Amino acid sequence: EADIYQTPRYLVIGTGKKITLECSQTMGHDKMYWYQQDPGMELHLIHYSYGVNSTEKGDLSSESTVSRIRTEHFPLTLESARPSHTSQYLCASSDGGPRGYEQYFGPGTRLTVT
Amino acid sequence: GENVEQHPSTLSVQEGDSAVIKCTYSDSASNYFPWYKQELGKRPQLIIDIRSNVGEKKDQRIAVTLNKTAKHFSLHITETQPEDSAVYFCAASPNSGNTPLVFGKGTRLSVIA
Repeated sequence: EADIYQTPRYLVIGTGKKITLECSQTMGHDKMYWYQQDPGMELHLIHYSYGVNSTEKGDLSSESTVSRIRTEHFPLTLESARPSHTSQYLCASSDGGPRGYEQYFGPGTRLTVT
Repeated sequence: GENVEQHPSTLSVQEGDSAVIKCTYSDSASNYFPWYKQELGKRPQLIIDIRSNVGEKKDQRIAVTLNKTAKHFSLHITETQPEDSAVYFCAASPNSGNTPLVFGKGTRLSVIA
């Protein structure tokens, strides 16, 4: 089934650790996005990509980095996790065709940094 | 750049009543306006959208209206049910989809049985 997947779903980690949040989609979409969201609150765009080897920073200043080596894969890396990074991280994707504006969201990764 | 304002931030209605959420946008070039529903602990999901060449769109109990001149659009939910309780986000697509959606800050809707 075509969908967008995120792993892990929950992560508790200590301050200073390096972490990578995984996002993969089997929808064949060109465009992918990362959002940070405290539960039920505003969606903050932190990174996006419109194709392989193309990445851009979003509106929210973030200490994370992303890569887009394969169309279907868009991982997010925090080099040194801090308690301020505690939040939910949502990955999303959209295609470039006539319905290119519709974004599909993954289930999210809930990150807690202790 | 585009700026989307959403009101109210919280809304409580009695079951069976109607709910209206309003959004304004700033970029007259925006041409796509989706609405997302996010239930507690779930991912945001598209419930309805409208393009700038249409003034109104309806899908069962939900409808969206768009006023391009005034640069505002609204979500209308009729005959509300407890399962309509969620956070609703409006968004606008500037630059013909060549830049990401700009989201409003969300409205928490509570339907009281």
